[in-house]
Amino acid sequence: AQSVTQLGSHVSVSEGALVLLRCNYSSSVPPYLFWYVQYPNQGLQLLLKYTSAATLVKGINGFEAEFKKSETSFHLTKPSAHMSDAAEYFCAVSRGGGADGLTFGKGTHLIIQP
Amino acid sequence: NAGVTQTPKFRILKIGQSMTLQCAQDMNHNYMYWYRQDPGMGLKLIYYSVGAGITDKGEVPNGYNVSRSTTEDFPLRLELAAPSQTSVYFCASSPGEVSPLHFGNGTRLTVT
Repeated sequence: AQSVTQLGSHVSVSEGALVLLRCNYSSSVPPYLFWYVQYPNQGLQLLLKYTSAATLVKGINGFEAEFKKSETSFHLTKPSAHMSDAAEYFCAVSRGGGADGLTFGKGTHLIIQP
Repeated sequence: NAGVTQTPKFRILKIGQSMTLQCAQDMNHNYMYWYRQDPGMGLKLIYYSVGAGITDKGEVPNGYNVSRSTTEDFPLRLELAAPSQTSVYFCASSPGEVSPLHFGNGTRLTVT
C-alpha cells in the first residue's frame, strides 16, 4: 500500500528564510505525488503535483518540490517565506494508481516568525 | 463557478442521532470522495465513487453510508452518531484517475 511520512508536525521559520517541508513516500508502483495547503477553516488547495514528467515541479505561490527516487522523497521548498505562507501542508500519494483517491500524510503546520 | 459545495458548515449531534452531510459539485467530475480529518492524523478516506450508481469503501467506512444517484451529488449518511465520529468532514471531486482533488470547505461535526 502507498503511504507518505511527513517529518515534523510543526516547522517554524523566520520571514524571508528558506522553507523546507519534508515528505517521504512508500509506493509499490510509480507514484503520483501531491502537495496541498490548508488555511484555517478552509478545504485543501493544490500546491503542485508530480506525475512522472520533470523531477523538479513548480507550483503556486513560489513553492516547488523535487522528486528523488533514490531517496523516496518529495520535499517542498520555498526560497523566501512570507507571513501569508502560515498554514497546514499535506503531502499525498495516489492510493493505488487508480480512482480510489489519495493517501495523505499527517500534515506539517508551518509557522512564520516575523 | 461554485466547485464543491458542502452543507452544513457546522453541526452538533447527540449520541444515536442520524444526519446526512451534503456534497455537490458543478464541475461534471466522475470521481467523488469523502474524507475525515482529525487533529494530527491527516485525512482518512471514508468512501469514494467513480460515477453515478457506483460507490466503494475507503479506509474508515464503519458507521457511514453513501449513495451516488447523480453525477453532481454525493451525500454521506451517519446512522447512529458516536463521539468517535466527531471530526471535520471533507468532500472532494476529481476529473479522472490520479488527477488532483478539488475540496469543499468542510463540515465540522461534534457528537456529544
